[in-house]
Amino acid sequence: AQKITQTQPGMFVQEKEAVTLDCTYDTSDPSYGLFWYKQPSSGEMIFLIYQGSYDQQNATEGRYSLNFQKARKSANLVISASQLGDSAMYFCAMREGRTGNQFYFGTGTSLTVIP
Amino acid sequence: DGGITQSPKYLFRKEGQNVTLSCEQNLNHDAMYWYRQDPGQGLRLIYYSQIVNDFQKGDIAEGYSVSREKKESFPLTVTSAQKNPTAFYLCASSPGLPSYEQYFGPGTRLTVT
Repeated sequence: AQKITQTQPGMFVQEKEAVTLDCTYDTSDPSYGLFWYKQPSSGEMIFLIYQGSYDQQNATEGRYSLNFQKARKSANLVISASQLGDSAMYFCAMREGRTGNQFYFGTGTSLTVIP
Repeated sequence: DGGITQSPKYLFRKEGQNVTLSCEQNLNHDAMYWYRQDPGQGLRLIYYSQIVNDFQKGDIAEGYSVSREKKESFPLTVTSAQKNPTAFYLCASSPGLPSYEQYFGPGTRLTVT
């Protein structure tokens, strides 16, 4: 079974609008971390936001927020007030407490911001 | 400045040759990783290392080899046994704690003809 599933290969959003990128995960470990990365066309991977499995509040970092629904095992990324520079690939990832050092990545979502 | 360096950014090789990709970090991280990324695809784990002199195979280790003789360095050798070596290779490191993210290098784009 896939550890991380991203079902949206491509998404479009109008500039200044909000967009939600979906991510579901699969683990039986009670301790885990969820991460979102942005990959522009240059190829670098940029860390955006982190959510721990025991965190009570949804994580926020500037225009990024993570909609964490533990019972549904979903960790959707919300980008508010989209900018042209947000056009990139976005990857969801998970790290389990028991394996510690191995990360599992989804297949990514390509976001295009339309002026 | 702390970070991860990968060199070179672009690498060209003839088929049948082994090639080694460099990855160095000065973040004092215990864990290091190598990923392969093909166009329009996600990241696939090749190898990872949790401590010096120890490493584990990832999902696509065949045709690749690594070493971890120093904490700072985790070179990846793409051998002639790797059938489709042309790809973008990303190195990453992380502290050995679940709450910490991976820090990535800028990547090496390998082309084998």
